[in-house]
Amino acid sequence: EAQVTQNPRYLITVTGKKLTVTCSQNMNHEYMSWYRQDPGLGLRQIYYSMNVEVTDKGDVPEGYKVSRKEKRNFPLILESPSPNQTSLYFCASSLIGGTGANVLTFGAGSRLTVL
Amino acid sequence: GENVEQHPSTLSVQEGDSAVIKCTYSDSASNYFPWYKQELGKGPQLIIDIRSNVGEKKDQRIAVTLNKTAKHFSLHITETQPEDSAVYFCAGSDYKLSFGAGTTVTVRA
Repeated sequence: EAQVTQNPRYLITVTGKKLTVTCSQNMNHEYMSWYRQDPGLGLRQIYYSMNVEVTDKGDVPEGYKVSRKEKRNFPLILESPSPNQTSLYFCASSLIGGTGANVLTFGAGSRLTVL
Repeated sequence: GENVEQHPSTLSVQEGDSAVIKCTYSDSASNYFPWYKQELGKGPQLIIDIRSNVGEKKDQRIAVTLNKTAKHFSLHITETQPEDSAVYFCAGSDYKLSFGAGTTVTVRA
């Protein structure tokens, strides 16, 4: 089944404790992206990747890191989480990027709480 | 960059009635307008999209309209059913996708 898989789905952590949210897709998509969803703010892009070893900042990149060493994986790293990073996170992928007019396939989401 | 505004933020309709969600965009260069539906506990999923060279598109009970002059577009759901209850996001795109804040639709039985 074609899908985007995120782990963990739920996580409660404490301020400053490094964590990684993994994302993997099995569709051979070139483009991958991370979003955070907050009430009243919709989906905001954190980072995106046009292809392996190519990553760039989205609209809200502060406090996050990403890497794209393999085509299928795009982990989101929070080096020192803070309470304002408490949110619902989505990984998404599409066949290609760069035009905006591509169908995104989203993962099921990762709900992160930082105490 | 593109700024997409979406209204209303919540919408409650009686089963069988119609639901309308409206979005406006700021960048006249935007040319692609998708709508995503997010069911509880799931990620958003594309339900319909429209490009700037088309004024209206329909798929069974859902339709989108686009007014390029006024820079707004709308989602229409007719004969609503309980499974239409979800959060709906509009988006606009020139070279990157910008999402609206979302509309929580509740269909009352």
